[in-house]
Amino acid sequence: EVQLVESGGGLVQPGGSLRLSCVASGFTFSIHDMHWVRQAPGKGLEYVSTINSNGGSTYYANSVKGRFTISRDNSKNTLYLQMGSLRAEDMAVYYCARDGHGKRDAFDMWGQGTMVTVSS
Amino acid sequence: DIQMTQSPSSLSASVGDRITITCRASQTISNYLSWFQQNPGKAPKLLIYAASTLQSGVPSRFSGSGSGTDFTLTISSLQPEDFASYYCQQSYSTPPYSFGQGTKVEMK
Repeated sequence: EVQLVESGGGLVQPGGSLRLSCVASGFTFSIHDMHWVRQAPGKGLEYVSTINSNGGSTYYANSVKGRFTISRDNSKNTLYLQMGSLRAEDMAVYYCARDGHGKRDAFDMWGQGTMVTVSS
Repeated sequence: DIQMTQSPSSLSASVGDRITITCRASQTISNYLSWFQQNPGKAPKLLIYAASTLQSGVPSRFSGSGSGTDFTLTISSLQPEDFASYYCQQSYSTPPYSFGQGTKVEMK
C-alpha cells in the first residue's frame, strides 16, 4: 500500500525537544522531495519545511528557522523533523507530505498526522 | 516570501449549487498552484495541481483556472461530501510554499 505514516508526537514542555518520523511505503521514496506541514487546533494549514530527494537542500518557514531541522534516511524510507526550543505556538498536528513528480511540486500524498502538544 | 490570499473565508451553500473560491498570490506564480480539500480530523487531499489539472480520482465537478496571480476553484454542482474546508497553495520556485487561509464550505 502506498502510504506515509507519521509518529513521534506527544506532550512536551515549552523549551523542550521532539523528533517526528514519517515512514514511506509503496513508492520509491528516494526520488521525491518531501515536506512537513502543520495545523494548529482550529486553524489553517501552515508550511513548515522541505527537503530535496537526496537530502542536500533544506528549506524552512521563518517561524521555525533555527529551531527545527528536517532530514531523511533514504535507506530507511524515513523522513524526520527534529524540533527544538518548542513554544506554545508550535502546538499542532504535523503532517508529512510527498512532492508529486511532474505536478508542479504539488503535495500529492499526505500522512495521517501526528499531534504535538506544548504545555507545562 | 509569497503570500496567498484566499476568499471567502467561509460560505454557505446548498446541494446542487455552483460555488467559486478565489486565491490571489502576492506575486506571479505562473501555474504553480494547487487546491486541497480537508475534512475535519483528516489529512488534506490534493484536488487540483498546476492550477487546472485534476488529480487522479477527483470528480469532474471540480475545476480550477487561472495563471499569474489570480486563481479560482469551482465546484459545478455541490454534493453532500463536498462540505469541507478548501485551501490553495503555491509551489513556485523554491520554498517556502505558502497556503491560503482556507475556505470553509458549510450547508445552508
